[in-house]
Amino acid sequence: EIVLTQSPATLSLSPGERATLSCGASQSVSSSHLAWYQQKPGLAPRLLIYEASSRATGIPDRFSGSGSGTDFTLTISRLEPEDFAVYYCQQCGSSPWTFGQGTKVEIK
Amino acid sequence: EVLLVESGGGLVKPGGSLTLSCAASGFTFRSYTMNWVRQAPGKGLEWVSSISSSSIYMYYADSVKGRFTISRDNAKNSLFLQMNSLSAEDTGVYYCARLSGSGNDFWGQGTLVTVSS
Repeated sequence: EIVLTQSPATLSLSPGERATLSCGASQSVSSSHLAWYQQKPGLAPRLLIYEASSRATGIPDRFSGSGSGTDFTLTISRLEPEDFAVYYCQQCGSSPWTFGQGTKVEIK
Repeated sequence: EVLLVESGGGLVKPGGSLTLSCAASGFTFRSYTMNWVRQAPGKGLEWVSSISSSSIYMYYADSVKGRFTISRDNAKNSLFLQMNSLSAEDTGVYYCARLSGSGNDFWGQGTLVTVSS
């Protein structure tokens, strides 16, 4: 099983700041099979990034994804008030498909 | 408009069974791999199971293997999750989601399963 470890667990930032979230994999993950999601309380997750770096439909360009192999990054260039949420990475290249434990981006 | 609507959740006793359904509309259901993902109260997301478009491939998390069965009816645009031998660890919100490329691009609103005596 590929274990995804996200860091930090919590990120305390102010609106307008840059957020950098990491997702480390215990084994190499094909870039084609790495996605990022945003989840707000009481709502279903929303796909942000697929194939490690492609923005999903309707996602603002302040969200970007990068990385390969065992190290992936989600960057939010300038935090907007609506971006404070929990973010998850997921790999679907090797069964069992796995999620990271999440990074909470909170208002400082 | 793509819509996924889960149903079938509820309160069940430990050791009991439950079948979840997901009604899909607004897209060509038979062309997509579908997933079940769950979330225990206050916890993160856990992938549960996947089924390929024509039901040739089915995958399960180790935590549910042998107890849960995923299936689909492409004629009725429906996805199912048969859950047996339920325990408190299976409590949570269950989401169905459509896989497009490497991401689940559409999700249902979720259905709550509570396993308690």
